[in-house]
Amino acid sequence: GNSVTQMEGPVTLSEEAFLTINCTYTATGYPSLFWYVQYPGEGLQLLLKATKADDKGSNKGFEATYRKETTSFHLEKGSVQVSDSAVYFCALSSYGNKLVFGAGTILRVKS
Amino acid sequence: EAGVTQFPSHSVIEKGQTVTLRCDPISGHDNLYWYRRVMGKEIKFLLHFVKESKQDESGMPNNRFLAERTGGTYSTLKVQPAELEDSGVYFCASSLSWGRVPEAFFGQGTRLTVV
Repeated sequence: GNSVTQMEGPVTLSEEAFLTINCTYTATGYPSLFWYVQYPGEGLQLLLKATKADDKGSNKGFEATYRKETTSFHLEKGSVQVSDSAVYFCALSSYGNKLVFGAGTILRVKS
Repeated sequence: EAGVTQFPSHSVIEKGQTVTLRCDPISGHDNLYWYRRVMGKEIKFLLHFVKESKQDESGMPNNRFLAERTGGTYSTLKVQPAELEDSGVYFCASSLSWGRVPEAFFGQGTRLTVV
C-alpha cells in the first residue's frame, strides 16, 4: 500500500539557517504530494503541493520538488525564522482521495 | 468564511465511557474526512464521507467507532466504549468535490485522553 517516510526530528536550527526535511514515498500510480504544517495550537495547514513529476511546489519561502526517479519530495527553505517553528507533515494522495501522512517532523528555530 | 470547526478541543474520559466528537465542515464541502494521530506517530485515515454517504471506512479501527454525517452537514464520531489505546488527536478535514486535487482544509483537532 501507499506510505510516506520522513526524517525523524526534532530538527533544531538557528535563525537564518538552511532547512531540509527529507520525505520519500511508496505509491502505486502517480500520486499528488503535499507538505502540511501545524503551528502550535493550530490545525493542519497546506503549505505546498505538487501534482506531477518534476513539479515544484512553493509557498512562504519553502520549496519541494516532486522527484519520481527517487520517489522523494524533500522540503527546503533557504533561511528559516523563529516563526517557522512547527510540525511538518509530508503526505500523498492518489486520485485526489484520502491523504497518507508521514510521522511528522518537529522543527525548532532558535533566535 | 468559517473554517473547519471541531468540538470539543480536549476531552478526558475514563476507560469504558463514551465520547462523541463533532466536526462542522466548511459550508458547501461535500467531502468530509476523519483522521487520527496517536502518540506522535503518523496521522492515519479513518473514514471519508461524500455528503451523507460513507465512501471509504477502511481506516476505522473496530466497531467501537461509529461515524455519522446527518444530512450531509456536520459529522460526529462516537467511541463506545473508549479504551486506553484510543487516546490521540482526532482531526477532521473537508474539501470540495470538484477539481483534480481538491485541497483538504483541516480543523484544529480534538485531543482525546482515555485514562
